[in-house]
Amino acid sequence: DADVTQTPRNRITKTGKRIMLECSQTKGHDRMYWYRQDPGLGLRLIYYSFDVKDINKGEISDGYSVSRQAQAKFSLSLESAIPNQTALYFCATSEPKTGGDADEQFFGPGTRLTVL
Amino acid sequence: TQLLKQSPQFLSIQEGENLTVYCNSSSVFSSLQWYRQEPGEGPVLLVTVVTGGEVKKLKRLTFQFGDARKDSSLHITAAQPGDTGLYLCAGARAGNNRKLIWGLGTSLAVNP
Repeated sequence: DADVTQTPRNRITKTGKRIMLECSQTKGHDRMYWYRQDPGLGLRLIYYSFDVKDINKGEISDGYSVSRQAQAKFSLSLESAIPNQTALYFCATSEPKTGGDADEQFFGPGTRLTVL
Repeated sequence: TQLLKQSPQFLSIQEGENLTVYCNSSSVFSSLQWYRQEPGEGPVLLVTVVTGGEVKKLKRLTFQFGDARKDSSLHITAAQPGDTGLYLCAGARAGNNRKLIWGLGTSLAVNP
């Protein structure tokens, strides 16, 4: 079974609709992240959470909100979806390393969201 | 402004050829990671380099971190179709709360 799962895998919705993307992990990691990936723009961080009580905005948080329901669950919501939120969305987890190494991030399979 | 620039953006080669992709910056990074992403999947970590001048090998893949820790390269020897994918570099900077800065990626296609 996959360590990081995302639901749904694909979603088509209309402008103005509320959408929730869900992420679950069995890796036991405290740190979780939401990214979006767009052609020509790469991976951009939306929100990240270092534990259940610690949630932080990333570089493109406008129009998004998150909820960390438990260590294993981190949800991303689009309160009122718009077409330029059409993208591939990834959830990731990590565990902090000592020293100068960056955390290894473990990604889910992604959710392809289309907003019409 | 893209802090980490990857080149080339696209690369299409024949099986058996060698190739090098680059990840360059004007900023210093405390460490740099390379990930590979296959279609329909999320990125998967290949390697982390930490020390300036460090060279790491993973089978036919050789990773190098620049002496000044501002750039990195990935060299693939005798490429195979299974190497096809998007190669992403990501850097960590001191004091950035361990958030990664991502390059845009190099899309590699290895044709049989």
